[in-house]
Amino acid sequence: DAKTTQPPSMDCAEGRAANLPCNHSTISGNEYVYWYRQIHSQGPQYIIHGLKNNETNEMASLIITEDRKSSTLILPHATLRDTAVYYCIVRVAVIKAAGNKLTFGGGTRVLVKP
Amino acid sequence: DTEVTQTPKHLVMGMTNKKSLKCEQHMGHRAMYWYKQKAKKPPELMFVYSYEKLSINESVPSRFSPECPNSSLLNLHLHALQPEDSALYLCASSQDILQRNEKLFFGSGTQLSVL
Repeated sequence: DAKTTQPPSMDCAEGRAANLPCNHSTISGNEYVYWYRQIHSQGPQYIIHGLKNNETNEMASLIITEDRKSSTLILPHATLRDTAVYYCIVRVAVIKAAGNKLTFGGGTRVLVKP
Repeated sequence: DTEVTQTPKHLVMGMTNKKSLKCEQHMGHRAMYWYKQKAKKPPELMFVYSYEKLSINESVPSRFSPECPNSSLLNLHLHALQPEDSALYLCASSQDILQRNEKLFFGSGTQLSVL
């Protein structure tokens, strides 16, 4: 799986959009970009994933550049409850024998401030 | 029900003890996982079970012994652990390991302290 690079930490203001960048310059054509977050004392939580096109769900939007070498997770209106570590993960779409390995990188520690 | 339930939430054990961590899901998922997470570090994969068979062992020491008695349950048996094994142990499940758009559902973990 391709390696990802994220800033170690960032602050954002409550009610404003939070834009979380992720670099995955070695991504392959069959690799998806996944985002998970982990709120303190909880297990990671799935947010969103995409392959080429931008994606949106009730939690966030995912913007993937045309060359797919980077992406941005957008939390449209950050709340205090969005304070968490956000992980950007690149994973092969189908793994025949090795199984579904989700490998976490360092993540970005996001602090939403009032 | 979209929950993965882990018990106990906290566990303190000595290096000579034998204990087990339990994980349960009722989403009909056929793949289950154990991750280990040290403080301020990302989760690290330990084991993957697919259809109740061990699919991946990430070179985990034999003092950790996984078991999948049925498709809803996953255990992690612990024996002769070391203090450096103290960590948060996370269980996860997914519908199938081979599907293209796989999402993992995680439990809240068991915080383990080895004295």
